[in-house]
Amino acid sequence: GAVVSQHPSRVICKSGTSVKIECRSLDFQATTMFWYRQFPKQSLMLMATSNEGSKATYEQGVEKDKFLINHASLTLSTLTVTSAHPEDSSFYICSAASGGTDTQYFGPGTRLTVL
Amino acid sequence: QKEVEQDPGPLSVPEGAIVSLNCTYSNSAFQYFMWYRQYSRKGPELLMYTYSSGNKEDGRFTAQVDKSSKYISLFIRDSQPSDSATYLCAMDNYGQNFVFGPGTRLSVLP
Repeated sequence: GAVVSQHPSRVICKSGTSVKIECRSLDFQATTMFWYRQFPKQSLMLMATSNEGSKATYEQGVEKDKFLINHASLTLSTLTVTSAHPEDSSFYICSAASGGTDTQYFGPGTRLTVL
Repeated sequence: QKEVEQDPGPLSVPEGAIVSLNCTYSNSAFQYFMWYRQYSRKGPELLMYTYSSGNKEDGRFTAQVDKSSKYISLFIRDSQPSDSATYLCAMDNYGQNFVFGPGTRLSVLP
């Protein structure tokens, strides 16, 4: 159990376009989902925390108008990178937690390349 | 069988003990092996990053990779209460397939 999927696994887009990344909990209900960004050989940087049915809480320095997060159901959260630029190229990882537990289950990540 | 298995714990040890954390995996294509430390509600912090088999040491932390057994370990010497966190292993295959283990919760008791 506790499987989290992400789609797409890789995406290449042109500068100025928007990209949507989906995060799904396949076999449990995720009341909280987290979105992270990772640069090569570095720690995961928490971007935002989203609870089902409410607005996401963004970490300091993360532009909420650029990184739109929607957690519309207990099994799906989406991250939309709007007007993407080359500096947005990165590895984006989501994780999901259920109920009041601290245990997070991580997705396989999405590699975004903006040309 | 899951791609990466890790004992979720919780693991409780006294301060100063040597801690051994382990992961097993099934995909022999994994080449990069990482250990992360995650404090509650924080992002995972990269502790160790190793390529292929062998040992790597950094301060009180030693990472071991045994590709023939598909087994990796993280040792923490002289453990401190501040080491109490969840430790996640992760593996990567040249960017093709990145997988986290479920994490082991460690408590170091003063």
